[in-house]
Amino acid sequence: QKEVEQNSGPLSVPEGAIASLNCTYSDRGSQSFFWYRQYSGKSPELIMSIYSNGDKEDGRFTAQLNKASQYVSLLIRDSQPSDSATYLCAVRVGNNRKLIWGLGTSLAVNP
Amino acid sequence: NAGVTQTPKFRILKIGQSMTLQCTQDMNHNYMYWYRQDPGMGLKLIYYSVGAGITDKGEVPNGYNVSRSTTEDFPLRLELAAPSQTSVYFCASSSKRTTNEKLFFGSGTQLSVL
Repeated sequence: QKEVEQNSGPLSVPEGAIASLNCTYSDRGSQSFFWYRQYSGKSPELIMSIYSNGDKEDGRFTAQLNKASQYVSLLIRDSQPSDSATYLCAVRVGNNRKLIWGLGTSLAVNP
Repeated sequence: NAGVTQTPKFRILKIGQSMTLQCTQDMNHNYMYWYRQDPGMGLKLIYYSVGAGITDKGEVPNGYNVSRSTTEDFPLRLELAAPSQTSVYFCASSSKRTTNEKLFFGSGTQLSVL
């Protein structure tokens, strides 16, 4: 059973702090890794994708991938109240386009 | 661009009724997907399609059917609705290009089966 695991939270951070979200996956054949943000009552939207070991930065967001340890993380610097949402980790295994999704981590950024 | 359009946004069904959730995209994407999301749960893949005329089952296909007669449209059919099908349904699409796997989601359909 291929699995993607995330802490459900809620993760609460003060405004301006760094929020750190973690995701572990079970299948070593996993090739592509994604972080989607989902506001309450809305559909998911992609914020980061990462394919190789190391860090990938995009504005206030940094994705980190460690395939040896089978985890991927998302750092949000200078967290804003507008970052309050559920963050979904998704992993693609092999060459098909089906994703395995985690249950999501709820983030609350307090003003 | 409209992106991915789903209709209806809300629907209440009685047990045993049938309905079709509509999904259309205007981005010429080859890949289309239907997901369901239950409260506090992740996304579960119901069916997906890699192109017109080609569909395949996902993780939770029982009780659903799909068709893909055109690139743009990917309707999801619920036959004999059951309370277990109460959920939020999302349609999504993505490009065939392996360098761009971003999923574009529709706004969702909230379905209640009573």
